[in-house]
Amino acid sequence: GENVEQHPSTLSVQEGDSAVIKCTYSDSASNYFPWYKQELGKRPQLIIDIRSNVGEKKDQRIAVTLNKTAKHFSLHITETQPEDSAVYFCAASPLNGQNFVFGPGTRLSVLP
Amino acid sequence: DTAVSQTPKYLVTQMGNDKSIKCEQNLGHDTMYWYKQDSKKFLKIMFSYNNKELIINETVPNRFSPKSPDKAHLNLHINSLELGDSAVYFCASSQATYGYTFGSGTRLTVV
Repeated sequence: GENVEQHPSTLSVQEGDSAVIKCTYSDSASNYFPWYKQELGKRPQLIIDIRSNVGEKKDQRIAVTLNKTAKHFSLHITETQPEDSAVYFCAASPLNGQNFVFGPGTRLSVLP
Repeated sequence: DTAVSQTPKYLVTQMGNDKSIKCEQNLGHDTMYWYKQDSKKFLKIMFSYNNKELIINETVPNRFSPKSPDKAHLNLHINSLELGDSAVYFCASSQATYGYTFGSGTRLTVV
């Protein structure tokens, strides 16, 4: 089955700097890769996703890149702000939007 | 209106008890899920349910059983609760090629 690894497990950056979180997956059949943000005590919420036919997607300060050959994808957050502090999860889906396998999460702290 | 709602939000119970957590979605999604998030924040799938097809994660003890009276509901029943069952349980739903929508979670504490 699918296995998703995520690095780093914790990340601290200064406000205004960029943050990058990387994930690798094992199942070459996976074709949908969402990223979720979970603030303390709240539910995970989708922030951006990418499909296997696209190499990069951007939405304001966040972007995701996908390398299908190497089976890895990354989340990039630019101009970080304190409200970006949260746990971020990547996921891979071998069933085109269903039965996600999540990475173990990255705790991002943006220091003022 | 809340898209995916779970009840209760908090549940404290003694070892050995049987409890249920309810989940309802009003998004018209075809698939519903239960995830367990432990103290280390790992999100692990327990069940997915799509058009009466139940897919079970083989690591889930058979004390856990999902019940779906209709497409909009997927409840979780837990028998003979153990200390290790303490966690946050998230219900979620999805439709085709779109991402999940999670419920607000149920924090289960077994004492």
